[in-house]
Amino acid sequence: GNSVTQMEGPVTLSEEAFLTINCTYTATGYPSLFWYVQYPGEGLQLLLKATKADDKGSNKGFEATYRKETTSFHLEKGSVQVSDSAVYFCALSIYGQNFVFGPGTRLSVLP
Amino acid sequence: DADVTQTPRNRITKTGKRIMLECSQTKGHDRMYWYRQDPGLGLRLIYYSFDVKDINKGEISDGYSVSRQAQAKFSLSLESAIPNQTALYFCATSDLGRTDTGELFFGEGSRLTVL
Repeated sequence: GNSVTQMEGPVTLSEEAFLTINCTYTATGYPSLFWYVQYPGEGLQLLLKATKADDKGSNKGFEATYRKETTSFHLEKGSVQVSDSAVYFCALSIYGQNFVFGPGTRLSVLP
Repeated sequence: DADVTQTPRNRITKTGKRIMLECSQTKGHDRMYWYRQDPGLGLRLIYYSFDVKDINKGEISDGYSVSRQAQAKFSLSLESAIPNQTALYFCATSDLGRTDTGELFFGEGSRLTVL
């Protein structure tokens, strides 16, 4: 079956530090890959996405590249801010159906 | 106003009570979903509906039922709540496969506590 694995949190960083959150997946077919973010007290919202191998998704300084050879979609940001504190979910879908989410990684950024 | 609205936002109830969580959307999407979020488990799909006449079970449908009253409304019911149904519940919508990404749009969540 399809599954998503992401690094366990929580992750605590100082402001302006470099962020990496690892995500790997298992899927039958050709999935689209997503990173969703959940700020405190809110629902999930799409952060970025990639629909095919070697695509790079980017938004708000975050980036992730769809690596088919390593079945990975790691999230990176060069300089985190306090406002980036949230829970980050890696997810996949097959043709817009059957979304599968990872367990989430909580990020705390300290001033 | 939010595009996907859930009510109630918070609810505390007792074991054995019937509970309904409601979801309405103004995005005009055909597909609607109910997810459950538990710490360390991510989001798990309870039920989904691709149109008013189409209801499908997700991976954890036992103990839950749903009703799609209209394109814009999708309700989740717990007929007899039990403590392990304490969780954060999310409604979500997506387009009817007009793109190959089918991005999900989420409500703000309904926190349910069963004592």
